[in-house]
Amino acid sequence: DIQMTQSPSSLSTSVGDRVTITCQASQDINNHLNWYQQKPGKAPKFLIYDASNLQTGVPSRFSGSGSGTDFNFTINNLQPDDIATYYCQQYDNLFPITFGQGTRLDIK
Amino acid sequence: QVSLAESGGGVVQPGRSLRLSCAASGFNLNNCGIHWVRQAPGKGLEWVAAILFDGSNKYYADSVKGRFTISRDNSKNTLYLQMNSLRSDDTAVYFCAKDRDGDYVLDYWGQGTLVTVSS
Repeated sequence: DIQMTQSPSSLSTSVGDRVTITCQASQDINNHLNWYQQKPGKAPKFLIYDASNLQTGVPSRFSGSGSGTDFNFTINNLQPDDIATYYCQQYDNLFPITFGQGTRLDIK
Repeated sequence: QVSLAESGGGVVQPGRSLRLSCAASGFNLNNCGIHWVRQAPGKGLEWVAAILFDGSNKYYADSVKGRFTISRDNSKNTLYLQMNSLRSDDTAVYFCAKDRDGDYVLDYWGQGTLVTVSS
């Protein structure tokens, strides 16, 4: 199975900050990586597919990059509504699909 | 408007069975893949199982293989997860999620249903 290592596991941030989360795959997954946002008590929300493509309706302050084994997820000008846990998910070798451990953002 | 609604969760003793349902609306299950993803209390997301659009291909995580079975009833536009021989580490919120286009992007999720395995 492909392991996804996400870091940091948590991050204290301030409104207006630029936040970057990394996700590393245990083997080359091309660009087969998605990002999700999850707020407490809610279902995950799909944000980015194929490493860098924003889902329709997702604010442009969110972005993704990377290919192969190393990926970044960035939020520019962090807003209060962005406080959540973020997960990467790979699907390169189909099943099992695997998720990173998650990165929890909170306000300083 | 696409939506998914899980039901069937509850408290069950170890070794017993439970069947979860995922009712879909706004799209037809018979031409769409659906995944089950679970989240243990305070933990991350774990993919559990999937049925692809044609219904003939089903996949399971090693942790549930041989115990869980995914199926669907096209006439009811509903997906099921039959869970047998439940263990305490199966305790989690179970989400069903729609596969966008057979590309393993989970674009719509239900609100989840909590399964607690405890004596």
